[in-house]
Amino acid sequence: SQQGEEDPQALSIQEGENATMNCSYKTSINNLQWYRQNSGRGLVHLILIRSNEREKHSGRLRVTLDTSKKSSSLLITASRAADTASYFCQETSGSRLTFGEGTQLTVNP
Amino acid sequence: KAGVTQTPRYLIKTRGQQVTLSCSPISGHRSVSWYQQTPGQGLQFLFEYFSETQRNKGNFPGRFSGRQFSNSRSEMNVSTLELGDSALYLCASSPGQGVHLGTQYFGPGTRLLVL
Repeated sequence: SQQGEEDPQALSIQEGENATMNCSYKTSINNLQWYRQNSGRGLVHLILIRSNEREKHSGRLRVTLDTSKKSSSLLITASRAADTASYFCQETSGSRLTFGEGTQLTVNP
Repeated sequence: KAGVTQTPRYLIKTRGQQVTLSCSPISGHRSVSWYQQTPGQGLQFLFEYFSETQRNKGNFPGRFSGRQFSNSRSEMNVSTLELGDSALYLCASSPGQGVHLGTQYFGPGTRLLVL
């Protein structure tokens, strides 16, 4: 499969808890991005991390990148019910754009 | 700035027909990419256009084609529709292209149902 893998496939937590999602990929990358999708709608860009970066923050979001392990993680701190969505990573490698399979996050109020 | 718009939002076709979907990128963006999303295959890259030229293509049969106009608007066409073409088709625009694609801004998608 061309796609990277994300785990877990589904994650259910309580409001206020932290959520961590992982993404693994297969080839060297130029950059990796995380997106969020609500109920089959369009994707919303969250964070872009370049291959020479190890960590980026944006509000309650923290993304790490480990190129030696070909993996990235997205941490959402102090989750809210409104964070319920599917989260996807997308890697750019040369001219190839590949999405992971996604993690369905459910945050229970 | 207005976001990425896609038309139509919903479409029902029958097998064997063809369909054309339209995407208007954010003003000033010259790159438009298309994706197919299905429950079974997830998000699959179809193609990317920049300055009216296809720059990048995913692993889809020739029934899937596209084009980009001088105003950066893009269309994708699927001929001889199959049941498996039922999907959410997403368009994304960005200012850069290829490895310099950077942040992509997605439209709401066109949901195609093939009967």
